[in-house]
Amino acid sequence: KQEVTQIPAALSVPEGENLVLNCSFTDSAIYNLQWFRQDPGKGLTSLLLIQSSQREQTSGRLNASLDKSSGRSTLYIAASQPGDSATYLCAVSPPNQAGTALIFGKGTTLSVSS
Amino acid sequence: DVKVTQSSRYLVKRTGEKVFLECVQDMDHENMFWYRQDPGLGLRLIYFSYDVKMKEKGDIPEGYSVSREKKERFSLILESASTNQTSMYLCASSETDRQAFFGQGTRLTVV
Repeated sequence: KQEVTQIPAALSVPEGENLVLNCSFTDSAIYNLQWFRQDPGKGLTSLLLIQSSQREQTSGRLNASLDKSSGRSTLYIAASQPGDSATYLCAVSPPNQAGTALIFGKGTTLSVSS
Repeated sequence: DVKVTQSSRYLVKRTGEKVFLECVQDMDHENMFWYRQDPGLGLRLIYFSYDVKMKEKGDIPEGYSVSREKKERFSLILESASTNQTSMYLCASSETDRQAFFGQGTRLTVV
């Protein structure tokens, strides 16, 4: 059964620092991987989606990489800001078949201090 | 702008009540999902649907049922609410193997 792990569970950094969040998964047979952001008490917002054939995706200060063979993904946040404080979750999608759902890690809670 | 709307942000219900959580998406997505999120346990899949009137059990379907009579609407039903169903409920929709979009969540408290 696919399992997704995110380490660390929590991270505190000063404003301006570059940081990396980690995600690992046990079964390399995935179709894609997504990174989400969740603010306290709110729903999830999709940040980046990486297809299994891709190595990375970028959006603004965010860069996500995927190494499917080793079962790892990283989310790089450049020049962190207090507004980046949130919980970041990664999720993998099993191989293409009707009616499959994302499998989530438990998230990394990021706190950026000014 | 894509949108997934859950009918309530906060709900308080009594033990034994039948509870309906509604979710509507405006993107014509084929797939819809219900998750619950609890501290320390993360997001757990309750049910999902990949077509109208089709449904599949997720990891924790006990005590829940779902209904999808129209493509845009996916309802989660708690047949007889219990205190251990107090949780944050999240609805999502997507095209197969595409980006998923989530609603704002419903915080349900069962007393």
